[in-house]
Amino acid sequence: EPEVTQTPSHQVTQMGQEVILRCVPISNHLYFYWYRQILGQKVEFLVSFYNNEISEKSEIFDDQFSVERPDGSNFTLKIRSTKLEDSAMYFCASGGGPNNEQFFGPGTRLTVL
Amino acid sequence: GQQLNQSPQSMFIQEGEDVSMNCTSSSIFNTWLWYKQEPGEGPVLLIALYKAGELTSNGRLTAQFGITRKDSFLNISASIPSDVGIYFCAGQLLNYGQNFVFGPGTRLSVLP
Repeated sequence: EPEVTQTPSHQVTQMGQEVILRCVPISNHLYFYWYRQILGQKVEFLVSFYNNEISEKSEIFDDQFSVERPDGSNFTLKIRSTKLEDSAMYFCASGGGPNNEQFFGPGTRLTVL
Repeated sequence: GQQLNQSPQSMFIQEGEDVSMNCTSSSIFNTWLWYKQEPGEGPVLLIALYKAGELTSNGRLTAQFGITRKDSFLNISASIPSDVGIYFCAGQLLNYGQNFVFGPGTRLSVLP
């Protein structure tokens, strides 16, 4: 069964460093998403991406964040200068349509020291 | 921002019991998704609902899209230990775009 994959599973970085989180969405999906979950809290929407551009973003997704689909399979989230409060699980999700269900990857645990 | 409420926040039940949980809001939604999350893992989609009044089952799980479009319900029948986890509802607001708003979750513990 097709699934969303994410790498790395755990990333530890120093405050101020750049990180790139990678995702491979389900192959025939066209809509891609990043969500964040701070430990013990609910899942929060960051950004949605369709047709090679951002279609929606939340207030969390400020200028420190960017997304890219560099090739036909990968979807990346970059945080330019990490802050302590960026420590969280980051989930990628993909869906077949704008109103369709979204399937989540296993997440990347980001720890900023 | 838009907010979903889930109740109960947590529940402890005996194996074999049925479970009911709900998700409510003051806003109108056009899609509801129910997810289960286990520690250290991503949310796993359980059921998707697209029409008011829709009742959908997935094995022992049954979910309903509320008639008012402001709520949704999830029932688990004959619970088993592997049902343990956090159950999240996620709603897509009517005329508001593609992103889903997640509720705070209901933490389910099943006692053998």
